Amino acid sequence: GAVVSQHPSRVICKSGTSVKIECRSLDFQATTMFWYRQFPKQSLMLMATSNEGSKATYEQGVEKDKFLINHASLTLSTLTVTSAHPEDSSFYICSAHEGRGSYGYTFGSGTRLTVV
Amino acid sequence: SQQGEEDPQALSIQEGENATMNCSYKTSINNLQWYRQNSGRGLVHLILIRSNEREKHSGRLRVTLDTSKKSSSLLITASRAADTASYFCATGSGVIQGAQKLVFGQGTRLTINP
Repeated sequence: GAVVSQHPSRVICKSGTSVKIECRSLDFQATTMFWYRQFPKQSLMLMATSNEGSKATYEQGVEKDKFLINHASLTLSTLTVTSAHPEDSSFYICSAHEGRGSYGYTFGSGTRLTVV
Repeated sequence: SQQGEEDPQALSIQEGENATMNCSYKTSINNLQWYRQNSGRGLVHLILIRSNEREKHSGRLRVTLDTSKKSSSLLITASRAADTASYFCATGSGVIQGAQKLVFGQGTRLTINP
């Protein structure tokens, strides 16, 4: 089946630095990528949606300049957390959509970000 | 905003018993999906039920959908220790850039005791 490879799985960074998270669709072309954030024991909150070659659409309350999303190809999307702070510590998950209709979502395995 | 509300928030049962989780939503839907998440991992799609369906089966899973009550239930029969995970329902929340946005419920943390 479809596979989305997300890495790193865990990252610890210092406050003020930037962290890049990558999601690659391994055996299909991901026309749309969704980025979620999940706090411990809570649900997934959609942060932004990106299409290959176009600007991402951010959900209300999500800072575009802080969470930079690039979807440069049909198999790669990246989320960069810029100038990270401890409150950005969270679990980030990507989901790729194959563009085949109402269903076709494959999730990455998530990235645990800890900002110290 | 979160649309799905799930209950119970946590459920602990003995191996072999059945586990039932419920999900309620607020707006009209085209379909409702259930996902499983093992601790610290991504989500795995379990089953999708369309708005014109009332019940669907997949192995030990049974999903029901009541659009008049805007609710769905997930039943896992003959539970196993490996079923320990969090379970989320998700509904479509409009279409953006050709894809349906999913809105997830709060989830049910299921623990199967051996």
